[in-house]
Amino acid sequence: SQKIEQNSEALNIQEGKTATLTCNYTNYSPAYLQWYRQDPGRGPVFLLLIRENEKEKRKERLKVTFDTTLKQSLFHITASQPADSATYLCALRNNNAGNMLTFGGGTRLMVKP
Amino acid sequence: DADVTQTPRNRITKTGKRIMLECSQTKGHDRMYWYRQDPGLGLRLIYYSFDVKDINKGEISDGYSVSRQAQAKFSLSLESAIPNQTALYFCATSDSSGGYEQYFGPGTRLTVT
Repeated sequence: SQKIEQNSEALNIQEGKTATLTCNYTNYSPAYLQWYRQDPGRGPVFLLLIRENEKEKRKERLKVTFDTTLKQSLFHITASQPADSATYLCALRNNNAGNMLTFGGGTRLMVKP
Repeated sequence: DADVTQTPRNRITKTGKRIMLECSQTKGHDRMYWYRQDPGLGLRLIYYSFDVKDINKGEISDGYSVSRQAQAKFSLSLESAIPNQTALYFCATSDSSGGYEQYFGPGTRLTVT
């Protein structure tokens, strides 16, 4: 069966360090993968999209990698700040379901000052 | 003003009652979605609509119905609410001619007692 796995345990890091979050998937052949940020009680906000033929994508302090052989995406926040504290969701395009997005359960990031 | 709005933001209702959640968007997008979010289960797709005349069931449509009244409006109904429909509900939109990212509303917290 298709599965998207994100670490359900919170990631706690010190301000200024690089946060790395992982998204693993099985039984998908996604044309692209997206990352979203969600703050408590609010809707997810789109951050980045990376296509299957792209190895890496950057946006300001964010970097996403996509390894279709390992079936894994890594999401990095460099020089992390307390304001980066949130839950981060990965989402895959589901080629078998009208190109809908399927979301992972998210990983909560806590950046301590 | 927010691009995607949802009403009500919070609702407490009793088992067996009919309830409607409404979503409006000013982004001009053709695609709209309804998700529910439960702790530990992530976002799950209930229904989606590619245009006014195209409505499709998602992963968990049982117990729900939808109406796409106009390109900008997409409503979700619970015909006879039950306690396990207690959840956070999100509406989202996307542009079929764009980059496939989805834009979420602020959510409706629904409690069925």
